Amino acid sequence: DAGITQSPRHKVTETGTPVTLRCHQTENHRYMYWYRQDPGHGLRLIHYSYGVKDTDKGEVSDGYSVSRSKTEDFLLTLESATSSQTSVYFCAIRVGLAASTDTQYFGPGTRLTVL
Amino acid sequence: TQLLEQSPQFLSIQEGENLTVYCNSSSVFSSLQWYRQEPGEGPVLLVTVVTGGEVKKLKRLTFQFGDARKDSSLHITAAQPGDTGLYLCAGPLSGNTPLVFGKGTRLSVIA
Repeated sequence: DAGITQSPRHKVTETGTPVTLRCHQTENHRYMYWYRQDPGHGLRLIHYSYGVKDTDKGEVSDGYSVSRSKTEDFLLTLESATSSQTSVYFCAIRVGLAASTDTQYFGPGTRLTVL
Repeated sequence: TQLLEQSPQFLSIQEGENLTVYCNSSSVFSSLQWYRQEPGEGPVLLVTVVTGGEVKKLKRLTFQFGDARKDSSLHITAAQPGDTGLYLCAGPLSGNTPLVFGKGTRLSVIA
């Protein structure tokens, strides 16, 4: 599993509350990613990081922010959760030397429900 | 616009049958990857194809990358219930850009 953990694994929250999801890796890989997975949409990239304090937006970044103050941790924050953000969130790391042949290892996912 | 189109979306077959799923794009990819995802878990990489026309085999699974590097296929011979899952194709459009994923093919193999 490449040493990736996500916390919490399940969360139920109310509309308008802030939520932070944590991704932790044990192997100091440079690239980390946050995806959401929804029926009919597949995996969509929210944000990614290519180093400490270096982040960039993905396809569905609106309503989300990220931070990476340490190599091992990549945090995803929903500033004010909405029901449309109910989803399963996956963190991934990239392992290898070249983007075209690197492997992405995924965490176990966080199931978030916004009521 | 979906950069990687996977078909079929759903496939239900009997154990022992053969099947092929497809991943198509109008864009050229430097490589394509196939992942399998089981319920409640994250996707797991099965294979990466890099060269146009490349064929890779993983036991009963055969992966092919199109000559023009715009499409790929996954063929499963004599499917087993353990093959059940969501099959995703993914690839980087260029350089160090993040992977783009198809929506997946959900396969159910019935014993």
